[in-house]
Amino acid sequence: DIQMTQSPSTLSASVGDRVTITCRASQSISSWLAWYQQKPGKAPKGLIYAASSLEAGVPSRFSGGGSGTEFTLTITSLQPDDFATYFCQQYHNYPWTFGQGTKVEIK
Amino acid sequence: EVQLVQSGTEVKKPGESLKISCKGSGYIFTNFWIGWVRQTPGKGLEWMGIIYPGDSDTRNNPSFQGQVTLSADKSINTAYLQWSSLEASDSAIYYCAREMTRSGFYDSWGQGTLVTVSS
Repeated sequence: DIQMTQSPSTLSASVGDRVTITCRASQSISSWLAWYQQKPGKAPKGLIYAASSLEAGVPSRFSGGGSGTEFTLTITSLQPDDFATYFCQQYHNYPWTFGQGTKVEIK
Repeated sequence: EVQLVQSGTEVKKPGESLKISCKGSGYIFTNFWIGWVRQTPGKGLEWMGIIYPGDSDTRNNPSFQGQVTLSADKSINTAYLQWSSLEASDSAIYYCAREMTRSGFYDSWGQGTLVTVSS
């Protein structure tokens, strides 16, 4: 299975900050990578697919980048609604696998 | 509006069977793969497998092979996840989600079903 490793595990930031989360794959996954946001007690919500394509309705302050084995999720100007846990997911090879999550908390 | 509505919370004993459901609406149910994802505090999100309701073709995660069965009834736009004999380690939240066409990206999720297995 392809292992997905996110860093950091926890990130403390303030409203208005620019934050970047990194996701590394144990082997090349081309651009077959997605990002999700999850709030406590809720289902994950899709943000980005194909590494950099923004899902409909997702604010443009979210962006994704990278290819191969290293990927980033960037949030420019963090908003109160953005404090949540973020997961990456590869869909290059079955079984699809997820990163362990990055919690973005209020500083 | 695309919606996936899952069945409610379950409390079961070890050894019991269980079938949880996921009903789709707002789109052509038979045209999109439906995936199942397990979430636990210890292991995070785990992809269990997917089913294509149009013909019930499945792709299973070997880690869950033999432990669960994916099925679908296209006549009522519903997918199912089934256990024949639950274990305490099956306690988790289970999500169904719709896969974007020609992609493994999940663009719509059910609200989740909490399963607790305890003697």
